[in-house]
Amino acid sequence: SAVISQKPSRDICQRGTSLTIQCQVDSQVTMMFWYRQQPGQSLTLIATANQGSEATYESGFVIDKFPISRPNLTFSTLTVSNMSPEDSSIYLCSARTSGSFGTGELFFGEGSRLTVL
Amino acid sequence: AQKVTQAQTEISVVEKEDVTLDCVYETRDTTYYLFWYKQPPSGELVFLIRRNSFDEQNEISGRYSWNFQKSTSSFNFTITASQVVDSAVYFCALSEVRRGGADGLTFGKGTHLIIQP
Repeated sequence: SAVISQKPSRDICQRGTSLTIQCQVDSQVTMMFWYRQQPGQSLTLIATANQGSEATYESGFVIDKFPISRPNLTFSTLTVSNMSPEDSSIYLCSARTSGSFGTGELFFGEGSRLTVL
Repeated sequence: AQKVTQAQTEISVVEKEDVTLDCVYETRDTTYYLFWYKQPPSGELVFLIRRNSFDEQNEISGRYSWNFQKSTSSFNFTITASQVVDSAVYFCALSEVRRGGADGLTFGKGTHLIIQP
């Protein structure tokens, strides 16, 4: 299994500012992902964090708004840039352990709850 | 494009009743994985099961059971003899290969299960 730690667990931010969320996994993982869960809603995949290269973004999400880094096999960051109240969400980091497509276990962090005023 | 439908927004039952949560999915892929996650009020996502598209055998784990039927594109989840601790939001999810070989999840909107004592 893998334990995923996210920081901060929650934060209150001012409109127009940016916040970086950190995701640390306690073991090497093949894939890391970032999801957003808006209040009372389901989870939506933002992007796949690729080690050593640019993240792969899903439709509706762009790098300028959600820059992502993944410098190694256990760590990734997501920045929410120029925040507005619509960005108030829980942001979750997810990781898949070793294995080819679909065979590894998928784990989630406890999420980072952002409130933008 | 893939899609996951959980038509039941909220279900309320009395403790010890059996309850089934429905999940219907759409995908063009022949290889895919289906998941169920539990999200209790504390917010973390708890992995319950992963099933690949080539394995249609039903699975039972304690009070939990899953019925996968490719003919109807359904992956339903039954809790037998429900308990108050089962109260949570349950998400059904689907993974398929995305750009770059990653396999992020597409989540349903979730079913809020309320078990009354």
